Amino acid sequence: QSVLTQPPSASGTPGQTVTISCSGSSSNIGSNSVYWYQQVPGTAPKLLIYRNDRRPSGVPDRFSGSKSGTSASLAITGLRSEDEAEYYCAAWDDNMGGYVMFGGGTKLTVL
Amino acid sequence: EAQLLESGGGLARPGGSLTLSCSASGFTFSSFAMGWVRQAPGKGLEWVSGISGSGSITYSADSVKGRFTISRDNSRNTVFLHMNGLRAEDSALYYCAKVEATYMDYGDLFDDWGQGTLVTVCS
Repeated sequence: QSVLTQPPSASGTPGQTVTISCSGSSSNIGSNSVYWYQQVPGTAPKLLIYRNDRRPSGVPDRFSGSKSGTSASLAITGLRSEDEAEYYCAAWDDNMGGYVMFGGGTKLTVL
Repeated sequence: EAQLLESGGGLARPGGSLTLSCSASGFTFSSFAMGWVRQAPGKGLEWVSGISGSGSITYSADSVKGRFTISRDNSRNTVFLHMNGLRAEDSALYYCAKVEATYMDYGDLFDDWGQGTLVTVCS
């Protein structure tokens, strides 16, 4: 059971827009919803985006998600210092009875 | 708002056993699937196991199949992870997480997370 593919790192300056990609296959992203989680060091993951592009209440609209085919993206506009964190994508995979796949994580640095 | 509180972590010997518990509140427990996700020090998130709202369906990662068992007691709003045959590579912070639906295999994943309980396996 492998992982979804994310870039290990990303960076931007305050106010910029950053996009993080997540690549999978037809058995996961291609046929199921993508979720995005934010993890600030030393804290538990927090849901950022669910069902590809929906934001839970309390998540700023600076965060947006999209999906196309077997890939997904998380965009962060108006980058702020508090956005510095690790970001993970996740999706259900239909193979072998089903399981959850996480991406390897992307460390976002705000310069 | 959902609240999840894990307990039961600690030090175990290779080949030993531990049972983790997760006490839930703030939502109708039996209506939602639950899961366990772990994170080794300095590493990414790894899904471990999941269980449907009624407890009738369980799901497990290949890495723990045959060694870990997930269960739940809906009368006590608690989900458990019974870990046997522990290995050094099972050392991690184990998070309990609520799924946003009754089942996992329709693609719904985690919307709330606990703070985690640390498991260390060493001789």
